[in-house]
Amino acid sequence: GIQVEQSPPDLILQEGANSTLRCNFSDSVNNLQWFHQNPWGQLINLFYIPSGTKQNGRLSATTVATERYSLLYISSSQTTDSGVYFCAGLTGGGSEKLVFGKGTKLTVNP
Amino acid sequence: SAVISQKPSRDICQRGTSLTIQCQVDSQVTMMFWYRQQPGQSLTLIATANQGSEATYESGFVIDKFPISRPNLTFSTLTVSNMSPEDSSIYLCSVDRGTFFGQGTRLTVV
Repeated sequence: GIQVEQSPPDLILQEGANSTLRCNFSDSVNNLQWFHQNPWGQLINLFYIPSGTKQNGRLSATTVATERYSLLYISSSQTTDSGVYFCAGLTGGGSEKLVFGKGTKLTVNP
Repeated sequence: SAVISQKPSRDICQRGTSLTIQCQVDSQVTMMFWYRQQPGQSLTLIATANQGSEATYESGFVIDKFPISRPNLTFSTLTVSNMSPEDSSIYLCSVDRGTFFGQGTRLTVV
């Protein structure tokens, strides 16, 4: 079936700490993306990363498509990083439907 | 890139009434997607809206409850009909394989 699984479900950090979020996805899911949803509900696309590694400031992501997982790294975390991080992938067969994981809720304390 | 304007940003509605959510994109797009996010949950696709044809609904969502219009390539509406408290959610529109999302509509039904 179509599955996108994220871990951990919750994460609490002190400001300045680093973290790694994981996303496992099934064979029928491709073209991984990472999103951040802020406390007001706004959903921001962080990375479109079907494979390989990308970096944007303190954030980076790596997808190993052959092993069906993706990692999101957050370094030197800040309170503004708090929110929910979702990974999502497109279902197969040329579909443009995104399937989302359940998310990782990140809380960064000052 | 695409900029999506979604209205209203939030609303509190009486049960039994209907609310229409608007989504305006600053460029022409073939497909627009409507998602629902129930409290504390992930995003679930409601339907895909193509200009000039009926929307395609996902399992568990029906046209009578969530009628969608797509009058042109830059605009779509989603109506939540005959609302109950269970419809309290964030509703989001999206384009371009989920790369871009509107700001979301936070709906509370009382």
